[in-house]
Amino acid sequence: GQNIDQPTEMTATEGAIVQINCTYQTSGFNGLFWYQQHAGEAPTFLSYNVLDGLEEKGRFSSFLSRSKGYSYLLLKELQMKDSASYLCAVMDSNYQLIWGAGTKLIIKP
Amino acid sequence: GAVVSQHPSRVICKSGTSVKIECRSLDFQATTMFWYRQFPKQSLMLMATSNEGSKATYEQGVEKDKFLINHASLTLSTLTVTSAHPEDSSFYICSAKRGDNEQFFGPGTRLTVL
Repeated sequence: GQNIDQPTEMTATEGAIVQINCTYQTSGFNGLFWYQQHAGEAPTFLSYNVLDGLEEKGRFSSFLSRSKGYSYLLLKELQMKDSASYLCAVMDSNYQLIWGAGTKLIIKP
Repeated sequence: GAVVSQHPSRVICKSGTSVKIECRSLDFQATTMFWYRQFPKQSLMLMATSNEGSKATYEQGVEKDKFLINHASLTLSTLTVTSAHPEDSSFYICSAKRGDNEQFFGPGTRLTVL
């Protein structure tokens, strides 16, 4: 079967760095997405990785290793507004999105 | 775990025809279902919020007469794209909210209008 695993919840301190991991097993691979979702709002696109390596975009970076079926989202200089759920999703060979359950990130002062 | 399915996974239709997309929560009852549209590498755009047994609430700019939503039961919502045109070609994703407010996403339906 296909599955995406990511931690259910993480806690970090304002100003610190946090890494949210995502491992996947899917039938084929056509890219991995990270989204941020604040409670009651639609998910916001953060990143898309299709090749191995690190993609940096401001305070957020996303890493992909296709051979390991692994990705992480790195958030630097954490701000209180980063408190949200972070969703990992993989597009399989049929261009269907397989969603992780999301990681709830709690930022403490 | 909670599973949300969509059918069909992909559909190709001629301009002017109508297409129905189903969204089902397979192992839980969904108090609310949401319909999103996604363009490549962009955020999910919320189109409408659907509550079982009541009319859907559409976001600003979404034509309710073009995108018909029916939420007939606690496990099924349908989105009908009426008189589809090529600009309606997109990836449509639904999600379902469980009683504990957890939200689960479907795999998406790729619509191509020729």
